[in-house]
Amino acid sequence: EPEVTQTPSHQVTQMGQEVILRCVPISNHLYFYWYRQILGQKVEFLVSFYNNEISEKSEIFDDQFSVERPDGSNFTLKIRSTKLEDSAMYFCASRGDRGLIDTQYFGPGTRLTVL
Amino acid sequence: GENVEQHPSTLSVQEGDSAVIKCTYSDSASNYFPWYKQELGKGPQLIIDIRSNVGEKKDQRIAVTLNKTAKHFSLHITETQPEDSAVYFCAASTIKAAGNKLTFGGGTRVLVKP
Repeated sequence: EPEVTQTPSHQVTQMGQEVILRCVPISNHLYFYWYRQILGQKVEFLVSFYNNEISEKSEIFDDQFSVERPDGSNFTLKIRSTKLEDSAMYFCASRGDRGLIDTQYFGPGTRLTVL
Repeated sequence: GENVEQHPSTLSVQEGDSAVIKCTYSDSASNYFPWYKQELGKGPQLIIDIRSNVGEKKDQRIAVTLNKTAKHFSLHITETQPEDSAVYFCAASTIKAAGNKLTFGGGTRVLVKP
């Protein structure tokens, strides 16, 4: 069964450093998402991406964040200058094109630790 | 924006008993309500979902009910088994072209005791 994959599974970085989290969505999917979950808190929406542009973003997704689909398979989340509060589990999700309502499939997540 | 509340935060049941998790939402425009199961070290996996034009949906031991008037929906697991132990999340979403962001509840940690 096709699945969303994410790399790395765990990323440790120093405050102020740039990180890139990588995702490979399911191959025929068209809509891509990033969510994050700070330890002990809810899973929060960050951004959705469709047709090579951001379709919606949350208040969390400020100028320090960017997303890119550099080729036909990868979908990346970049944090330019990490802060301690960026420490969280980051989930990538993708969905197909069976109408506007369709299942979002989640990857296993990348645990980001900012020291 | 949408706010989803989920109760209880933890639930311990005896194997074979039923488990019920309840969620409320605030935005009457929400019309899609998925439930996800998250096992240790894995991402959320969809187990069942319901659209707002349906009041109830069942898939083997899992059922979901939706009350649009009261803005709440529930997950029912019957004949629980140890492999049902996991964290369960409810979510709500609104039909929107190229969007459909999910707003999640806080999660329920379910422990099924053998």
